[in-house]
Amino acid sequence: KQEVTQIPAALSVPEGENLVLNCSFTDSAIYNLQWFRQDPGKGLTSLLLIQSSQREQTSGRLNASLDKSSGRSTLYIAASQPGDSATYLCAVRPLAEGGKLIFGQGTELSVKP
Amino acid sequence: NAGVTQTPKFQVLKTGQSMTLQCAQDMNHEYMSWYRQDPGMGLRLIHYSVGAGITDQGEVPNGYNVSRSTTEDFPLRLLSAAPSQTSVYFCASSGNRGLLQYFGPGTRLTVT
Repeated sequence: KQEVTQIPAALSVPEGENLVLNCSFTDSAIYNLQWFRQDPGKGLTSLLLIQSSQREQTSGRLNASLDKSSGRSTLYIAASQPGDSATYLCAVRPLAEGGKLIFGQGTELSVKP
Repeated sequence: NAGVTQTPKFQVLKTGQSMTLQCAQDMNHEYMSWYRQDPGMGLRLIHYSVGAGITDQGEVPNGYNVSRSTTEDFPLRLLSAAPSQTSVYFCASSGNRGLLQYFGPGTRLTVT
């Protein structure tokens, strides 16, 4: 059974720091991996999608990497800002089953001014 | 495009009542799914659909029914609400497995 784990559960950094959020998954048979952002009381906003054949994706100050063989993904945030404060979720899409995502529990990020 | 829309935003039910959470998307997406989000449990899949007329169970399907009569709509029915169904419910859609999943704003349901 696919399990997704995110470490740490919470992270607090001063503004301007570069930071890395970690995501690991137990089964490498995935179609893709997606990183989301969730603000308190709000829905999920998609940040980056990495296909299983890709190694990384970049969008602005965000860079996500994928090492399928080791079951790991990282989300790198450069020059963090208070507006980056949110919960970040990673989710994998299993190969065998269409239409579903398996989510990690998320990392709650707080960027202090 | 409105994207993925959900109604209502908030709902309070008494134990035993039934209701339908509405979800619609205007992106002609094949894949639609329902998740619930609970503190400490993360997001868990309830039911999903890979196209009109096709639905399947997710991780936590008990107490919920779905149907997919059109591409656009994917309602979630609570048959007899229980306090354990107090949660935030999210609907999502995507064009195919390789594409981004888009999420609706959520419905916050409380069952007393």
